[in-house]
Amino acid sequence: DQQVKQNSPSLSVQEGRISILNCDYTNSMFDYFLWYKKYPAEGPTFLISISSIKDKNEDGRFTVFLNKSAKHLSLHIVPSQPGDSAVYFCAASGVTQGGSEKLVFGKGTKLTVNP
Amino acid sequence: EAGVAQSPRYKIIEKRQSVAFWCNPISGHATLYWYQQILGQGPKLLIQFQNNGVVDDSQLPKDRFSAERLKGVDSTLKIQPAKLEDSAVYLCASSLASGSTDTQYFGPGTRLTVL
Repeated sequence: DQQVKQNSPSLSVQEGRISILNCDYTNSMFDYFLWYKKYPAEGPTFLISISSIKDKNEDGRFTVFLNKSAKHLSLHIVPSQPGDSAVYFCAASGVTQGGSEKLVFGKGTKLTVNP
Repeated sequence: EAGVAQSPRYKIIEKRQSVAFWCNPISGHATLYWYQQILGQGPKLLIQFQNNGVVDDSQLPKDRFSAERLKGVDSTLKIQPAKLEDSAVYLCASSLASGSTDTQYFGPGTRLTVL
């Protein structure tokens, strides 16, 4: 049962344009959401997060939007740069079906920013 | 500040053999995590330690996987005997505490190939 879904395995955008990565979740107990970025042969690195009490969080070129009623969040990168090319993982935290609190990851979206 | 260290970076073994991975978390981080990331999937939590005690090992295949965190610092993850489906990247992460908003910092991972 996949509780965090990233339905787009890949996304390609031009440098300078906006990148929008999407994520859906099914567990209404999730109350904290994060985006991690992963380069090849490296571990994921934390990018930005948002609490369920907010609907937007911004950090420089990165903005995360949360729509609780739709159980949907998105990451906007503007303007996109070639160095942003990486795999982006959406993750959610909260009490899971097993009763414990843990971080649940989506499958990731590979972003390619073309010069 | 030094990051999370893991070794080895790569390991190739035959099925039914044993293997062990080592992790050294960021200094002062009380919580340590082991994740399994199968190709094309997001990281999946195997076990979480708070100091040297286990917080969550609900997704650890205990018939073949074991982990320990002696003295609440370094940790080892062992697989005995390995199966083909254990081929994956094993990621270690650490955080200051175990709250849902505590950022997890990941190591580079160990890529295991089981032949």
